[in-house]
Amino acid sequence: SQTIHQWPATLVQPVGSPLSLECTVEGTSNPNLYWYRQAAGRGLQLLFYSVGIGQISSEVPQNLSASRPQDRQFILSSKKLLLSDSGFYLCASTAPNTEAFFGQGTRLTVV
Amino acid sequence: GIQVEQSPPDLILQEGANSTLRCNFSDSVNNLQWFHQNPWGQLINLFYIPSGTKQNGRLSATTVATERYSLLYISSSQTTDSGVYFCAVREYSTLTFGKGTMLLVSP
Repeated sequence: SQTIHQWPATLVQPVGSPLSLECTVEGTSNPNLYWYRQAAGRGLQLLFYSVGIGQISSEVPQNLSASRPQDRQFILSSKKLLLSDSGFYLCASTAPNTEAFFGQGTRLTVV
Repeated sequence: GIQVEQSPPDLILQEGANSTLRCNFSDSVNNLQWFHQNPWGQLINLFYIPSGTKQNGRLSATTVATERYSLLYISSSQTTDSGVYFCAVREYSTLTFGKGTMLLVSP
């Protein structure tokens, strides 16, 4: 099975500061990778997904961007954080015809 | 895109009771999963179940792909079952979640 490494676990950042969250995957090659955000309440909002190196699809236009510089590395970034970027960010990985696996998540608070 | 609806949105049970959670989806899917989100936010894989029935201890799940729904059964519930239960469906490259069922099991 896959292992998803996601860090940091918690983060407090001031408004206007940059953001970089990293996710790496073990146990598979050429996975589909995803970034989700869970705001107050419980829905998971798909932010970005990637089917390969350098291939990024954005589901929601916003203050964030994603990059996939290596096969098993997925990065979520922002140049200037907004208060509304606060939330719980989850990275996920899927391989063909197998289940999805999630990282432990990063709880981001923008102050 | 595909729509995923879960019911009920909230459920309160006494310890030892049984429950059924439902997931409806609007189109054909490649696969379906059930997750439990624990109090620390971690998503725990419960079942990968594109079709058919699976059981794991007190939990079981059934997906009827032709009728576009899946059911999660929890028997003899325990307080540790509390949390949010999500179903997620994959259609090609996208993985879409329902809004979840919040379960509270009281002692």
